[in-house]
Amino acid sequence: RKEVEQDPGPFNVPEGATVAFNCTYSNSASQSFFWYRQDCRKEPKLLMSVYSSGNEDGRFTAQLNRASQYISLLIRDSKLSDSATYLCVVTGSNYKLTFGKGTLLTVNP
Amino acid sequence: DGGITQSPKYLFRKEGQNVTLSCEQNLNHDAMYWYRQDPGQGLRLIYYSQIVNDFQKGDIAEGYSVSREKKESFPLTVTSAQKNPTAFYLCASSRSNSNYEQYFGPGTRLTVT
Repeated sequence: RKEVEQDPGPFNVPEGATVAFNCTYSNSASQSFFWYRQDCRKEPKLLMSVYSSGNEDGRFTAQLNRASQYISLLIRDSKLSDSATYLCVVTGSNYKLTFGKGTLLTVNP
Repeated sequence: DGGITQSPKYLFRKEGQNVTLSCEQNLNHDAMYWYRQDPGQGLRLIYYSQIVNDFQKGDIAEGYSVSREKKESFPLTVTSAQKNPTAFYLCASSRSNSNYEQYFGPGTRLTVT
């Protein structure tokens, strides 16, 4: 299994749709998990951290399943401005973050 | 405004020349990192530094060098030994614990011809 593996995408959805991204990780000792978004030709920006109990921030919900080594991100009522690449990120040892390749989302009017 | 700055935004160099990319942060973060991103690829770690005057190699350190003489600054030199230097280079910083999220600068696009 790759260190961090994401849905390859791309996802094309209409405005208002609900979209879910999935991510699996191989290191069972990983402690922290994040979702970043990256706009075209820009730097990644932290979207949200992912906690064991699951967490929600407005239209965004992140969940973690440690037993299955699986992380998800749900976007409800998607907006045009949600169009970006979504990166699943997992910490390993020695301060290192491991990034997935990302999943491209395009929200269409 | 607190943040991370990288300069320049675009950089063009001839093959065989060394080039240094700047990264400065005023977030008072202890840890700093350099990544490169190639089209269709995830970010790959080049070097990281947890504290001033100390740094460690990441996954793809060959052909690169760094220094960490000040907490705020972590410059990256791309040497002529780096076989494929053309890429998008991203600097990041975080607090000193590995569980803290990293914040990125705007990046430098380096093109070597």
